[in-house]
Amino acid sequence: QVHLVESGGGVVQPGRSLRLSCAASGFTSSSYGIHWVRQAPGKGLEWVAVIWYDGNYKNYADSVQGRFTISRDNSENTLYLQMNSLGAEDTAVYYCARDRGYCSGGRCFSHGLDLWGPGTMVAVSS
Amino acid sequence: YVLTQPPSVSVAPGQTAKITCGGNNIGGKSVQWYQQKPGQAPVLVVYDDSDRPSGIPERLSGSNSGNTATLTISRVEAGDEADYHCLVWDNHSVIFGGGTKLTVL
Repeated sequence: QVHLVESGGGVVQPGRSLRLSCAASGFTSSSYGIHWVRQAPGKGLEWVAVIWYDGNYKNYADSVQGRFTISRDNSENTLYLQMNSLGAEDTAVYYCARDRGYCSGGRCFSHGLDLWGPGTMVAVSS
Repeated sequence: YVLTQPPSVSVAPGQTAKITCGGNNIGGKSVQWYQQKPGQAPVLVVYDDSDRPSGIPERLSGSNSGNTATLTISRVEAGDEADYHCLVWDNHSVIFGGGTKLTVL
């Protein structure tokens, strides 16, 4: 059985930091791209960041660029999302998701996020 | 790049539902569709415009041309009631549509 499980969510004050984890099991996460996607209460899905393979390829949404950092520990088969300078607009359920896609010639291509974790809730509030 | 979906679509059981995703020359991009039921994570139902992952029924199909991609659900069942989200991969980033709530009457 393949799984992704997020952890690390909670209530945090504005301006503070939080680190989310995404533990993969049943497959080698370093063979895939892994995305973080968030969903504010009652809203649609918003892409946050992606990391491909050994971490050479990363990209971020404009809304989090410079504040969030995506990384991975292949020895632990775990992905991370370090979130700094949090604001109310970051309140959401955060999902990690596996991408069926690939990278070639310095470019990466998504072919579907085929495995998602159940999500972890982050609430930014004073 | 902006993707536009209707906020809601309603259909009677047994009928056909069409959920659209509009974008500038979206026909030149690869579109994915996700089904999300309340309190659950999204599930991939269509990728590469019209391919289905294993386990997704043939009643769900996708097409993409010009400025509109479409998810078609034939013979709609009560269990199809959910939010549906389109996605494109553009310039190394993921773009989601705003999502469409499908209501089965």
